[in-house]
Amino acid sequence: GQNIDQPTEMTATEGAIVQINCTYQTSGFNGLFWYQQHAGEAPTFLSYNVLDGLEEKGRFSSFLSRSKGYSYLLLKELQMKDSASYLCAVWDSNYQLIWGAGTKLIIKP
Amino acid sequence: DTEVTQTPKHLVMGMTNKKSLKCEQHMGHRAMYWYKQKAKKPPELMFVYSYEKLSINESVPSRFSPECPNSSLLNLHLHALQPEDSALYLCASKTQGDTGELFFGEGSRLTVL
Repeated sequence: GQNIDQPTEMTATEGAIVQINCTYQTSGFNGLFWYQQHAGEAPTFLSYNVLDGLEEKGRFSSFLSRSKGYSYLLLKELQMKDSASYLCAVWDSNYQLIWGAGTKLIIKP
Repeated sequence: DTEVTQTPKHLVMGMTNKKSLKCEQHMGHRAMYWYKQKAKKPPELMFVYSYEKLSINESVPSRFSPECPNSSLLNLHLHALQPEDSALYLCASKTQGDTGELFFGEGSRLTVL
C-alpha cells in the first residue's frame, strides 16, 4: 500500500526553528510537495522537491532524499502566523497525489 | 492571473435541495480537480478532469455530479446529499502533463442539514 507518515502535532516557540519530517512509501515517485493549511482554509503551496537536496525559500526550506523516502520542512524564525497544519504529498508513478495526514504546528510565545 | 476562484464560499443546504459549486481558473491549466476535506484530515480526491474529459472518478456517490463546460470552468452539482457530506470542497488545477504544483481555490464550505 501507499503511505506517508508525518508527526500528528508539534509545538515550538516563537523565534525558534522547527523541522517537520515526512517519510513515504509510494508506488514510484514524481515529486514531493509541502503545503501549509490554516484551519478552515485551502492548502497553500510551500515547496516542491523532485531532486535530492535542499531547496530554500525565505524562512522555509525543504529537503528530499529519494533513496531514503524522506523529506523535511524546516521553518526558521517562527512567527505566530506559522501556526497551521503542514501537509506532505507525493506524486506517485500513476500521477496520483498521495497525501500525508498533516502535522499540526502550534507556536507558543 | 494565478488564481483559482470558487463560489460560493459557504453553502447550507437541506437533504432534498439541488445546488452547485463552481470553480474557475484562467491560467490555461488543462487538468482540474475536486477534493473533499473533512476537519483534521488531508484532502480526499473525488474527480479529475483532463482536457475537459472526466479521467478519474474515485468511486464518488452519484449524488455528486461533476461537469466541465469548458477549459476554465468546473462545476460540482449536488443533489440529495447527506449530513456526512458536510465538508470543505476544494477545487484545484495544474498544467497538464506536469507533475508540478496544484493550485487550490479557497474552497466551498458545505453544510448539509
